[in-house]
Amino acid sequence: AQSVTQLDSQVPVFEEAPVELRCNYSSSVSVYLFWYVQYPNQGLQLLLKYLSGSTLVKGINGFEAEFNKSQTSFHLRKPSVHISDTAEYFCAVSDMRSNTGKLIFGQGTTLQVKP
Amino acid sequence: DTEVTQTPKHLVMGMTNKKSLKCEQHMGHRAMYWYKQKAKKPPELMFVYSYEKLSINESVPSRFSPECPNSSLLNLHLHALQPEDSALYLCASSQDLTSGTDTQYFGPGTRLTVL
Repeated sequence: AQSVTQLDSQVPVFEEAPVELRCNYSSSVSVYLFWYVQYPNQGLQLLLKYLSGSTLVKGINGFEAEFNKSQTSFHLRKPSVHISDTAEYFCAVSDMRSNTGKLIFGQGTTLQVKP
Repeated sequence: DTEVTQTPKHLVMGMTNKKSLKCEQHMGHRAMYWYKQKAKKPPELMFVYSYEKLSINESVPSRFSPECPNSSLLNLHLHALQPEDSALYLCASSQDLTSGTDTQYFGPGTRLTVL
């Protein structure tokens, strides 16, 4: 079984400051890793995913994440945030061996960007 | 076109009503999903369809009845719901279920209120 822990439920940050949203996972099998964003009153949108290869993954809107196997972490970063980045961010994993499409989500982190 | 559409946007229903939620995608995806999302929580998987056949039912009460009439369309029929069923219902689709690598594309959701 897998589980995902997002270490911060809320992250307030000022506009143009850097931000890191933390995600740790637990799994007895190899997993794929995802970050999704949900803007207010919208569905989820994929920011980036790690499948294999380089541990630094670049996504949309200037976000990137680094996979650290030894720390079982997949933290999301952005060097300079905008007001429009205010949203809910979900880290998720899927079992590499699975053909169910099931995503295991973390509880989410609310990013609040202040002017 | 990477759009998943859902109708209606909002739905208010009584506990004795019967209503349906509709989801449509034209990306040629063969896997489709229903999720339930409560406020400030991650989405919870309800059903997965693969090639128009029900693949996963996450022990959802029978008052929720999914239907996949064709590869582009997914319905969720609702009957005798309870107030605790009030939530945002999200539909998603992905290429298929052969690997866990596929991106799930989410619709904007239907906000359901049960009185």
